[in-house]
Amino acid sequence: GENVEQHPSTLSVQEGDSAVIKCTYSDSASNYFPWYKQELGKGPQLIIDIRSNVGEKKDQRIAVTLNKTAKHFSLHITETQPEDSAVYFCAASSSNKLIFGAGTRLAVHP
Amino acid sequence: GAGVSQSPSNKVTEKGKDVELRCDPISGHTALYWYRQSLGQGLEFLIYFQGNSAPDKSGLPSDRFSAERTGGSVSTLTIQRTQQEDSAVYLCASSFSNSDQPQHFGDGTRLSIL
Repeated sequence: GENVEQHPSTLSVQEGDSAVIKCTYSDSASNYFPWYKQELGKGPQLIIDIRSNVGEKKDQRIAVTLNKTAKHFSLHITETQPEDSAVYFCAASSSNKLIFGAGTRLAVHP
Repeated sequence: GAGVSQSPSNKVTEKGKDVELRCDPISGHTALYWYRQSLGQGLEFLIYFQGNSAPDKSGLPSDRFSAERTGGSVSTLTIQRTQQEDSAVYLCASSFSNSDQPQHFGDGTRLSIL
């Protein structure tokens, strides 16, 4: 079946550093790639998304890049802050649903 | 608020009992999804409703699981004869149309089977 691989599973950075999370997908028909942030006890919150007709998108400190040829996309967080600590999920559209990666637990240390 | 609302937020029940989980999507959203999230894991797709079309039930793990969506709005997920492995957080999301539109999630129902 369709699959999304996400790396790393955990990531620890110092406040102010950058964090990068990478995902690969298997369905060549995927054309929508959202990223979600999930805090403890809460549902996933959409933080940024990108469509296949765009290679990069930026929103303040977060950016996402997409390489359709290689079937991978990445989330970049710059100038990390302690409140960025959470679990991040990537996803790819496939057959009218989203296939999620297994998540990355990001810890930002003051 | 105007977000996706799920109830109950927590449910503890004995093995073998039936449970019913409710999702109230964002007004105007025609697509509704149910996912399951086991402890420390990713999101597992269960079922998808889009307007009046037949639902996509391809993610339901067994025939003990069923869902319905009445009037194109509120949805209920029912688990019959619960087992301990059903313990998880059940998340609901809604969007304007299909999976190519942003999905907005509720905070989930944490289900614990004793």
